[in-house]
Amino acid sequence: NAGVTQTPKFRILKIGQSMTLQCTQDMNHNYMYWYRQDPGMGLKLIYYSVGAGITDKGEVPNGYNVSRSTTEDFPLRLELAAPSQTSVYFCASSDSGRTSYEQYFGPGTRLTVT
Amino acid sequence: AQSVTQPDIHITVSEGASLELRCNYSYGATPYLFWYVQSPGQGLQLLLKYFSGDTLVQGIKGFEAEFKRSQSSFNLRKPSVHWSDAAEYFCAVAPGGGAGSYQLTFGKGTKLSVIP
Repeated sequence: NAGVTQTPKFRILKIGQSMTLQCTQDMNHNYMYWYRQDPGMGLKLIYYSVGAGITDKGEVPNGYNVSRSTTEDFPLRLELAAPSQTSVYFCASSDSGRTSYEQYFGPGTRLTVT
Repeated sequence: AQSVTQPDIHITVSEGASLELRCNYSYGATPYLFWYVQSPGQGLQLLLKYFSGDTLVQGIKGFEAEFKRSQSSFNLRKPSVHWSDAAEYFCAVAPGGGAGSYQLTFGKGTKLSVIP
């Protein structure tokens, strides 16, 4: 049971490039989330999904896109990368109901845009 | 909308000393409250949660937290800190009663350093 896995661990992008951050969970959780963490700012929710085929915006969705074609996978797409997207990105998953608040986090992807 | 304030950005304690990390929330009703811990280079892990009932909740790793409605607080405590407790701690809040989507609002975190 690997939990939540994220790839890559580190990535440097040039301004204007695009990339996909991968996230996979093996706990059969319905809910999945993408957060970004900036120093001293806590975590901000980018997008979330309550099941395959269903996604919704969080607090800071601009510049990002997501899809959820399977229960296990929830990739985050960055189009036209900007320096403001330099951050650490965390994927998380949870069960539904009140246990949805017990979110299981992946190890993160550290992204630098220069 | 709910919000969370963690007044202390960085706290340093000696190993074996007691610890209290502060958390204040803003929400119209009784929210659901959580503490998460992030070890260096890792994702977050849930320490404990409060939904209702007993206002003193026990978590993993010997941590506890007390919900005080009158002070809108949910402070995290540990009687004796171990060097392995050095990490960043995040308080989080969600709408109580299951209202709305299951989204957490996180505080900005308190970094804990432990002196051997």
